[in-house]
Amino acid sequence: EADIYQTPRYLVIGTGKKITLECSQTMGHDKMYWYQQDPGMELHLIHYSYGVNSTEKGDLSSESTVSRIRTEHFPLTLESARPSHTSQYLCASISGSYNEQFFGPGTRLTVL
Amino acid sequence: AQKVTQAQTEISVVEKEDVTLDCVYETRDTTYYLFWYKQPPSGELVFLIRRNSFDEQNEISGRYSWNFQKSTSSFNFTITASQVVDSAVYFCALSEAVGGATNKLIFGTGTLLAVQP
Repeated sequence: EADIYQTPRYLVIGTGKKITLECSQTMGHDKMYWYQQDPGMELHLIHYSYGVNSTEKGDLSSESTVSRIRTEHFPLTLESARPSHTSQYLCASISGSYNEQFFGPGTRLTVL
Repeated sequence: AQKVTQAQTEISVVEKEDVTLDCVYETRDTTYYLFWYKQPPSGELVFLIRRNSFDEQNEISGRYSWNFQKSTSSFNFTITASQVVDSAVYFCALSEAVGGATNKLIFGTGTLLAVQP
């Protein structure tokens, strides 16, 4: 059973608000990822991290930012949310030995 | 460039029917991994299987089986005697091998499977 957590599970906010989506894992994994899933179901990588103080942008351009101050924590921040940010955001971490990505339950974000 | 194609957008079957979900991939890497994930209506991604590019043996796990064919770049997933609880979106994904630069997953667009009682 994967130990990766995301909060909140659901969030409805107004345009212009600053939000932070939390992601934590207790498995000691170095590599962590954020994927964005549009209502049309496709998942795209938006950020990843190799370890503490390492962050990189993914394949899909995103206005969000991430930080990695602790191994277990990889939060994603939107400084000013817009309706175009409405999506599901999935956090994942990887087992280095087996290349298996464990996913959190996701955050469904709706920006009005 | 890496790419995963799931040509079947939606499949509807009646309970107890067998169903095969297709997955075709493209990669220039000689070493890579292939995955299947299940996404039920609750939204989380559930890992089903990982297969590395050197292992072309088919695998069976209960009612699930996977057919990996490197010659056709396909990694198809079959559910035998489908059940209503199998209703979900199924994603095929590709990543570079362990030790790769990012190990990011490249996902297909998913196949929505609806199993009718």
